[in-house]
Amino acid sequence: GAGVSQSPSNKVTEKGKDVELRCDPISGHTALYWYRQRLGQGLEFLIYFQGNSAPDKSGLPSDRFSAERTGESVSTLTIQRTQQEDSAVYLCASSLGVTGELFFGEGSRLTVL
Amino acid sequence: KQEVTQIPAALSVPEGENLVLNCSFTDSAIYNLQWFRQDPGKGLTSLLLIQSSQREQTSGRLNASLDKSSGRSTLYIAASQPGDSATYLCALLNQAGTALIFGKGTTLSVSS
Repeated sequence: GAGVSQSPSNKVTEKGKDVELRCDPISGHTALYWYRQRLGQGLEFLIYFQGNSAPDKSGLPSDRFSAERTGESVSTLTIQRTQQEDSAVYLCASSLGVTGELFFGEGSRLTVL
Repeated sequence: KQEVTQIPAALSVPEGENLVLNCSFTDSAIYNLQWFRQDPGKGLTSLLLIQSSQREQTSGRLNASLDKSSGRSTLYIAASQPGDSATYLCALLNQAGTALIFGKGTTLSVSS
């Protein structure tokens, strides 16, 4: 597509439920990133995929968080047993390579009640 | 550990003023530095990307400079307009890293 697409744009869930967030990167972009932005806070790196290499998971805050990417296409971020502190906007970005210009999606706003 | 600092956190100016946003970083071993703008409730829009070998980049009324030796980048906005009101973020890629590290941003308000 023309840009990075994320869905859902908004998700309200109850504490303890699992959620899946989806990111469709720009076609041809080999690098894909997930970031989290809590209200009034800066961007927090979560995970990075580059082609078929092993992902950099160093930013995932706990084992309740996981992400997958099939080849150079869609990625899903899964949060299990959601907690109220998981409430944030989850932003996905892609680039042609690790040193390329980064393009962001509009984000998925997650609210955990 | 790389730290990225943006000062000021907020800035209010009247329309037409030229202004400078500052970004400083602690480790000069970077691949590149990128400036973004973020409108409320929206994602980030890339403004300018400066590779480590470059000193500046320009796009329209925007000019970004990079001085690795002093650990600084500036974003210059000429003839500011109310539509420039947004949060401006700088982010850089460490040579040893895989993902951009972001500052907390400067929130700009331009009044008409």
